[in-house]
Amino acid sequence: AAGVIQSPRHLIKEKRETATLKCYPIPRHDTVYWYQQGPGQDPQFLISFYEKMQSDKGSIPDRFSAQQFSDYHSELNMSSLELGDSALYFCASSLGWGKYGYTFGSGTRLTVV
Amino acid sequence: SQQGEEDPQALSIQEGENATMNCSYKTSINNLQWYRQNSGRGLVHLILIRSNEREKHSGRLRVTLDTSKKSSSLLITASRAADTASYFCATDRGSTLGRLYFGRGTQLTVWP
Repeated sequence: AAGVIQSPRHLIKEKRETATLKCYPIPRHDTVYWYQQGPGQDPQFLISFYEKMQSDKGSIPDRFSAQQFSDYHSELNMSSLELGDSALYFCASSLGWGKYGYTFGSGTRLTVV
Repeated sequence: SQQGEEDPQALSIQEGENATMNCSYKTSINNLQWYRQNSGRGLVHLILIRSNEREKHSGRLRVTLDTSKKSSSLLITASRAADTASYFCATDRGSTLGRLYFGRGTQLTVWP
């Protein structure tokens, strides 16, 4: 069965650069979520989209933005990168806002140097 | 602030033993989920238990939920070395928007 696809798997950027992470949800899933997991930390919710509209927003820095496109894939854009942005970024998708469960992607490991 | 608090933070057992991890939360919930994460890898969904359920099984996994105590437990029976991973509980805090709040996780090590 198709899973949630995230790209790239690994990304190395320098401070103040910009990064774009992509997420391709499971077909027919209507909601996409982004999470950030710092080293040794639990995942923290960033933002979500339902039917291509932003549905919820968490502790996402103003330097970050995200959108969901007509084909339901989503992109997380991060600008003016800081060392503290180094983390594992997960995308998850669900049907019906998660009442049936969620499927997470394998994540993108972002390292800012 | 963290919604879920898992204990123990770390658990080390021998293969064949049972592993029990606990999770507590502070608000009302619609459901509670358990996830597994191998080091630096993705989150794998294990079990979802709804607030009106008390126990759920999946293979060697057994999850209980006590909403009066706002706590849940994950039992892995007959553990294997391959069960070595971090285990997280996550709740929705009663939200219908799908956001999950994760606890800090339990690092389980199963020795062969």
